[in-house]
Amino acid sequence: QQPVQSPQAVILREGEDAVINCSSSKALYSVHWYRQKHGEAPVFLMILLKGGEQKGHDKISASFNEKKQQSSLYLTASQLSYSGTYFCGTEGGDYKLSFGAGTTVTVRA
Amino acid sequence: ETGVTQTPRHLVMGMTNKKSLKCEQHLGHNAMYWYKQSAKKPLELMFVYSLEERVENNSVPSRFSPECPNSSHLFLHLHTLQPEDSALYLCASSQRYGGRSGNTIYFGEGSWLTVV
Repeated sequence: QQPVQSPQAVILREGEDAVINCSSSKALYSVHWYRQKHGEAPVFLMILLKGGEQKGHDKISASFNEKKQQSSLYLTASQLSYSGTYFCGTEGGDYKLSFGAGTTVTVRA
Repeated sequence: ETGVTQTPRHLVMGMTNKKSLKCEQHLGHNAMYWYKQSAKKPLELMFVYSLEERVENNSVPSRFSPECPNSSHLFLHLHTLQPEDSALYLCASSQRYGGRSGNTIYFGEGSWLTVV
């Protein structure tokens, strides 16, 4: 079962914040976040393991609420380099990753 | 540079052609994957190899044929494809496949395939 991401797209001005949500209908063991720029490989950002932890990568952070089976990615004080498509990958009891359809983030000057 | 290299980056082929996509990983990983990425759709897992053995084949048509000669190399052989097969094909690798949580997958830059 693939996770559901929202919103599908977001447009920001430099310095603005955004939140991307990732929800699953199954119990989760971990959530993985990736960013893909056009024509490039999806790049691994961070992994959140079961336990409700929060992690950060520069000014990009994420939280994982295992009870609600969802994760959120926070883009703080966005920069032009944050533009791209963000994917979440969720891992259930079978230890296999399922990916969401992605959220396209456009940051404008 | 993700440590996973794919060639060619772009491929245009006719429906009667036979071609192959190549993937090489330099990360010392034991599992390799093929994914299909189409516009506005989630990544579709096609095949998984773990220690050179195919462990996943997600109902992929037989016109796609994977080959994993060793743990560092993965091929996707293509023949008699259809226009709807046009997509970005991503190779990926990970330390292991399944077994326990927290297995991070690293992707190559992909091969853009156009079937005409």
